Amino acid sequence: GQQLNQSPQSMFIQEGEDVSMNCTSSSIFNTWLWYKQDPGEGPVLLIALYKAGELTSNGRLTAQFGITRKDSFLNISASIPSDVGIYFCAGRTNFGNEKLTFGTGTRLTIIP
Amino acid sequence: ETGVTQTPRHLVMGMTNKKSLKCEQHLGHNAMYWYKQSAKKPLELMFVYNFKEQTENNSVPSRFSPECPNSSHLFLHLHTLQPEDSALYLCASSQEASHIQYFGAGTRLSVL
Repeated sequence: GQQLNQSPQSMFIQEGEDVSMNCTSSSIFNTWLWYKQDPGEGPVLLIALYKAGELTSNGRLTAQFGITRKDSFLNISASIPSDVGIYFCAGRTNFGNEKLTFGTGTRLTIIP
Repeated sequence: ETGVTQTPRHLVMGMTNKKSLKCEQHLGHNAMYWYKQSAKKPLELMFVYNFKEQTENNSVPSRFSPECPNSSHLFLHLHTLQPEDSALYLCASSQEASHIQYFGAGTRLSVL
């Protein structure tokens, strides 16, 4: 089945630094989603991308749908303590397909 | 608060027990999902219900038995589980099966 390779697996940064993470696939995806999961909670949707090349922002978060449709990127600017958590990418291969494929997650830790 | 409520939040059960997980969504969605989240693995889709009909069973062992009595409620009945079934079980819902999924906080299950 499809696999999403998400990197890095973990990041240790200082407050105020910018963060970049990405997700790649061997298959083409028509939808990319980025979720964040706090400890003890379920994933919460951050950004949804529907078109190749699309760049979408949500506050300090910016995500891009790669031109090849096989990758996506998430950037966080000026990180703050509440950014700590696990970030997941998810993709859907076809419109109308109910199955989402999830990446393995990037765990973000902020060093005081 | 995502509008998807899961109970209980934590469950410890023996291998011979029978228990049920409950999910309720207050979003007026028509599709509901069960996922299994194990450490260092991508979210694994287990079951999908669309308009109360099961449309996906992702090769899940029969010791997991889903039930969807209406579009707002989803259950996962558990019996004779194995220790490797210990995980976070997440419920999600979406307007339709191909739309964005919203997750509950999960049930942390430990099988002894």
